[in-house]
Amino acid sequence: SQKIEQNSEALNIQEGKTATLTCNYTNYSPAYLQWYRQDPGRGPVFLLLIRENEKEKRKERLKVTFDTTLKQSLFHITASQPADSATYLCAIRGYQKVTFGTGTKLQVIP
Amino acid sequence: DAGVIQSPRHEVTEMGQEVTLRCKPISGHDYLFWYRQTMMRGLELLIYFNNNVPIDDSGMPEDRFSAKMPNASFSTLKIQPSEPRDSAVYFCASSTHGASPYEQYFGPGTRLTVT
Repeated sequence: SQKIEQNSEALNIQEGKTATLTCNYTNYSPAYLQWYRQDPGRGPVFLLLIRENEKEKRKERLKVTFDTTLKQSLFHITASQPADSATYLCAIRGYQKVTFGTGTKLQVIP
Repeated sequence: DAGVIQSPRHEVTEMGQEVTLRCKPISGHDYLFWYRQTMMRGLELLIYFNNNVPIDDSGMPEDRFSAKMPNASFSTLKIQPSEPRDSAVYFCASSTHGASPYEQYFGPGTRLTVT
């Protein structure tokens, strides 16, 4: 069966360090993979999209990698700040249909 | 633009009652999605529309759930009769094939509690 797995345990890191979140998938051949941020009591907010022919994508302090051989995407936040504390969801995109992972909660400690 | 608007923000109802959730997508967006989020199952797609037409409703849990989009600026998700296991946060999202064709914009959600 198709699965999108993210570390269900919360990730606690010190302010200023790089946070790395993992998204693994099985039985998908996605053309696109997306990352969203969700704050408590709010809807997810789109952050980045990476295509299957792109190894890496950057946006300000964010970096996403996409390894279709390993079936894995890594999401990095460099120079992390307490304001980065949130739940981060990866999502695999089919034709206009997006399937989400359960998310990883990131806590950046001052 | 005000973003995706959902109402009500919170709904508490008794088992067996009808519940109607409402969504106004971003103007100009031609795709509308209904999701349900729970701790156990995460964010699940229930149904999505393109140009007001339902395209995929395979995520709708059962016949108690129905969704309509009578025009480009309004959609409803109805649960009748409601059950305690329907308790969740329901999100509406919209998108377009415009400048950012794959970016979905989510509303603030409706927290539904069925007692």
